[in-house]
Amino acid sequence: EADIYQTPRYLVIGTGKKITLECSQTMGHDKMYWYQQDPGMELHLIHYSYGVNSTEKGDLSSESTVSRIRTEHFPLTLESARPSHTSQYLCASSEWGLSKNIQYFGAGTRLSVL
Amino acid sequence: AQRVTQPEKLLSVFKGAPVELKCNYSYSGSPELFWYVQYSRQRLQLLLRHISRESIKGFTADLNKGETSFHLKKPFAQEEDSAMYYCALSENYGGATNKLIFGTGTLLAVQP
Repeated sequence: EADIYQTPRYLVIGTGKKITLECSQTMGHDKMYWYQQDPGMELHLIHYSYGVNSTEKGDLSSESTVSRIRTEHFPLTLESARPSHTSQYLCASSEWGLSKNIQYFGAGTRLSVL
Repeated sequence: AQRVTQPEKLLSVFKGAPVELKCNYSYSGSPELFWYVQYSRQRLQLLLRHISRESIKGFTADLNKGETSFHLKKPFAQEEDSAMYYCALSENYGGATNKLIFGTGTLLAVQP
């Protein structure tokens, strides 16, 4: 079934640890996105990708990095987690084309850095 | 700068009452506007988009360029409409990026 998957759903980790949030989609979409959302606040775009080997920073500055080696996979990495990174991270994907400008979201990863 | 404003964090109505969730935007170009919804324990999903001009689950939204608004309306609220609603604007309408700018969201609570 075509879907977008995020793992883990919840992560509690200590300061200084390296973490990778996984995002995979089986929808055949070229475009993928990462959003960060603090409680009660809007979603902020932190990274996006048009396709393989394409990554761009979003509107909100983030210390995380991303890679896009395969079309279906768009992992997000924090080299050294800090309490300020505590947030919810949402992955999304979409197709190319004016009529296909709809983003499909994963269930999200709630990250807590102690 | 592009911005989406949802002035109400919480909107509480009784079942059967009309609902209007407000959304205003600022954008220098020709925007594409969306409403996304997140029901309890579900993921964020598209409710409707202005270019589709359709009614979804009884909800409609009209883009008013003069007032830079895209308010979401439903004549008779149902309890199952209770959810978090986000208004979003797509930059570069017709272009390549399709980046979304979200509002802070409005929690709609429909009381029985």
